[in-house]
Amino acid sequence: DIQLTQSPSFLSASVGDRVTITCRASQGISSYLAWYQQKPGKAPKLLIYAASTLQSGVPSRFSGSGSGTEFTLTISSLQPEDFATYYCQQLNTYPRTFGQGTKVEIK
Amino acid sequence: EVQLLDSGGGLVQPGGSLRLSCAASGFPFSNYAMIWVRQAPGKGLEWVSVISGSGGGTNYADSVKGRFTISRDNSKNTLYLQMNSLRAEDTAVYYCARSLAVAQGAVDSWGQGTLVTVSS
Repeated sequence: DIQLTQSPSFLSASVGDRVTITCRASQGISSYLAWYQQKPGKAPKLLIYAASTLQSGVPSRFSGSGSGTEFTLTISSLQPEDFATYYCQQLNTYPRTFGQGTKVEIK
Repeated sequence: EVQLLDSGGGLVQPGGSLRLSCAASGFPFSNYAMIWVRQAPGKGLEWVSVISGSGGGTNYADSVKGRFTISRDNSKNTLYLQMNSLRAEDTAVYYCARSLAVAQGAVDSWGQGTLVTVSS
């Protein structure tokens, strides 16, 4: 199975900060990667797929990049509603594994 | 509007069985692969299983292979997960979700989740 390792696991930031989360795959997955946001008690929400394609309706402050084994999710200016947990997921092979998550909290 | 309504969760003893259902509406159900994802209390997301739109293709996480069976009834717009030989580590919120082919299979719609608790 392909393992995804996110870093950091926990991030403390302020409103307006630029935030970057990294997802590393244990083997190459081309651009077959998605990013999700999850708030407590809610189902996840798709933010980005194909490593860098913004899902419809997602604010443009979210962006994704990378290919192969290293990927990043960037929030250009953190907003109050962005405090949540973020997960990457590889879509290259089954099982479609998730990263362990990165919790973004208010500093 | 896409709607996915999970149901069937509850308390079950170790070794027991449970069947989850997911009623879909607002989209052509048979055109979409569907998946189950679970989340143990306080933990991250775990991909469980996928079924193709026709129902002819399935895949499972190693952790549930041989114990869980995914199926669908396209005439009823309903997805199922039959869970047998349940273990304490299967305790989780189970989400049914729609896989979007144009998004490489990423999940664009989720149910509200149904809690399965395996305990004696």
